[in-house]
Amino acid sequence: EVRLVESGGGLVRPGGSLRLSCAVSGFTFNSYSMNWVRQAPGKGLEWVSSISHSSTYIYYADSVKGRFSISRDNTKNSVYLQMNSLRAEDTAVYYCARAPLDYWGQGTLVTVSS
Amino acid sequence: DVVMTQSPLSLPVTLGQPASISCRSSQSLVYSDGNTYLSWFQQRPGQSPRRLIYKVSDRDSGVPDRFSGSGSGTDFTLKISRVEADDVGVYYCMQGTHWPEYTFGQGTKLEIK
Repeated sequence: EVRLVESGGGLVRPGGSLRLSCAVSGFTFNSYSMNWVRQAPGKGLEWVSSISHSSTYIYYADSVKGRFSISRDNTKNSVYLQMNSLRAEDTAVYYCARAPLDYWGQGTLVTVSS
Repeated sequence: DVVMTQSPLSLPVTLGQPASISCRSSQSLVYSDGNTYLSWFQQRPGQSPRRLIYKVSDRDSGVPDRFSGSGSGTDFTLKISRVEADDVGVYYCMQGTHWPEYTFGQGTKLEIK
């Protein structure tokens, strides 16, 4: 069974940092690109970042470029999202998803507020 | 950037009746390999998104055949032949052709009339 489990969300002040993790099982992790997708409260889905299977190719949405950093550890079957300089508009549920977005985790809520 | 536009944004449907959601892209979604990477997702209340359809019309494993996808180029449709109570939620179309950025439609909220 494919499983993706996010963790690391929480309440953080504007300008602060947070690191999200996504632990994966049930498939050959190092064969797939991985993604982060977010959903602001009551809003739609927004792709955030992608990382290729060997970390060679990394991409970001313009809205997070220069502030967020995606990484992965194929020995731990995990993907990460380091979020710096957080803003109120980054408040959202963050999902990790296997490319091509066929499997998703349950999400972790990030709230940026003073 | 590719813009995905769905209609309607709200869809009240009587149980047992059909439903149809339209999705239009601002650019052709035909990729250089000849495939069209247009997917549909269902998000039930309080749940994560679930992919239903990929490459316009291929159903994911476990998806009832009441769900079907069609279309080409820039115009696509998701149809539910007979709506059930379990189908309530928000439906999103998404393009994966113009990668690496996946782009979603605004979402269509399906409710029972």
